[in-house]
Amino acid sequence: AQSVTQPDIHITVSEGASLELRCNYSYGATPYLFWYVQSPGQGLQLLLKYFSGDTLVQGIKGFEAEFKRSQSSFNLRKPSVHWSDAAEYFCAVGVGGNQFYFGTGTSLTVIP
Amino acid sequence: EAGVVQSPRYKIIEKKQPVAFWCNPISGHNTLYWYRQNLGQGPELLIRYENEEAVDDSQLPKDRFSAERLKGVDSTLKIQPAELGDSAVYLCASSLATNEKLFFGSGTQLSVL
Repeated sequence: AQSVTQPDIHITVSEGASLELRCNYSYGATPYLFWYVQSPGQGLQLLLKYFSGDTLVQGIKGFEAEFKRSQSSFNLRKPSVHWSDAAEYFCAVGVGGNQFYFGTGTSLTVIP
Repeated sequence: EAGVVQSPRYKIIEKKQPVAFWCNPISGHNTLYWYRQNLGQGPELLIRYENEEAVDDSQLPKDRFSAERLKGVDSTLKIQPAELGDSAVYLCASSLATNEKLFFGSGTQLSVL
């Protein structure tokens, strides 16, 4: 069965510091991979996606993610976090036929 | 371009009462999803439509939940009767093509008392 694991429930970083959010997936083939962000009281917004090709993908708001097949991982990174990045982050996998599975999310707190 | 529109934004009801949520997807998006998001959890699929056909409703509790997407555009999700455990945020999403990104509405936050 497909699954998505986000091992960090909550992360706190200082503004300006670098960030890495972890995501591991379980799927027989290479899935489509996504990172979404959810601000309080809002729906999810796509940050970036990986379908194929270059394993380092760039997204909006200065985020990037790297697909590592050997580790079944798709970690999200940002070199310098801004206070406005505080939100909930969800990793998701898409498998054949418009099926998407989401992780449980990582809550990011940014301290000044 | 308008995004995915959901209403109401909030709903508070007593248990055993019925409740309905409405979703208007982005124009031209054939695929529509209803997700339920419990507090501190990721979204979990309830039902997926391709045009007006429900192609995946395996996670929909059919004894009390129902959904429809007439004419392949707007969709309604209904719960009757609601239970305390149904308290959650109900998210609607749509997508243009297979495995393309999802566009989410702001959700309906349901509280069952």
